[in-house]
Amino acid sequence: SYELTQPPSVSVSPGQTASISCFGDKLGDKYVCWYQQKPGQSPVLVIYQDNKRPSGIPERFSGSKSGNTATLTISGTQAMDEADYYCQSWDSSTGVFGGGTKLTVL
Amino acid sequence: EVQLVQSGAEVKKPGESLKISCKGSGYSFNSYWIGWVRQMPGKGLEWMGIIYPGDSDTRYSPSFQGQVTISADKSISTAYLQWSSLKASDTAMYYCARDRDGYFQLDYWGQGTLVTVSS
Repeated sequence: SYELTQPPSVSVSPGQTASISCFGDKLGDKYVCWYQQKPGQSPVLVIYQDNKRPSGIPERFSGSKSGNTATLTISGTQAMDEADYYCQSWDSSTGVFGGGTKLTVL
Repeated sequence: EVQLVQSGAEVKKPGESLKISCKGSGYSFNSYWIGWVRQMPGKGLEWMGIIYPGDSDTRYSPSFQGQVTISADKSISTAYLQWSSLKASDTAMYYCARDRDGYFQLDYWGQGTLVTVSS
């Protein structure tokens, strides 16, 4: 079955840049999106179609892709950005999530 | 305003059946796929399946094929997720969400339905 691989955890200091990677076979040929989930809340879409931001998502969130690796970048990370982040794509007519990355802002 | 409102928390016993719901409003419900996502306690998101309410075309993740049934009633803008025989391992939070563009990218999410299965 198709898999997306993310690092389990990433740490960043306030004001610095956080990068979260997501690797998958032939991911370069598929759209990738990213979700933010805070404890006790539903996920929120922060990036879609690789690098587009939904309305209401701060400009400090950006997405990119190089080959089969997608990256979520948070510039000027704030304490409120501490959350779990999931990449997601699709394969064989079904969606697939990465395992999630816990972003710690310390 | 686009909203997906899910039915309330459920406590069931193993072997019981269950059907939870997700009601959409604020957009053309028939024209967007609705996905279902499982999150077991302390774990990540898992894609279960997706349905197009306009014609009930349904696609299941291989892990959930045969384990659950996804359906929709477009006349009342509601999607459903059901089990015929629950197991303790079905204990989880279940989310419905709208696919924004047919590329499996979920832009609006319900508040989640917590299902607890315990004897």
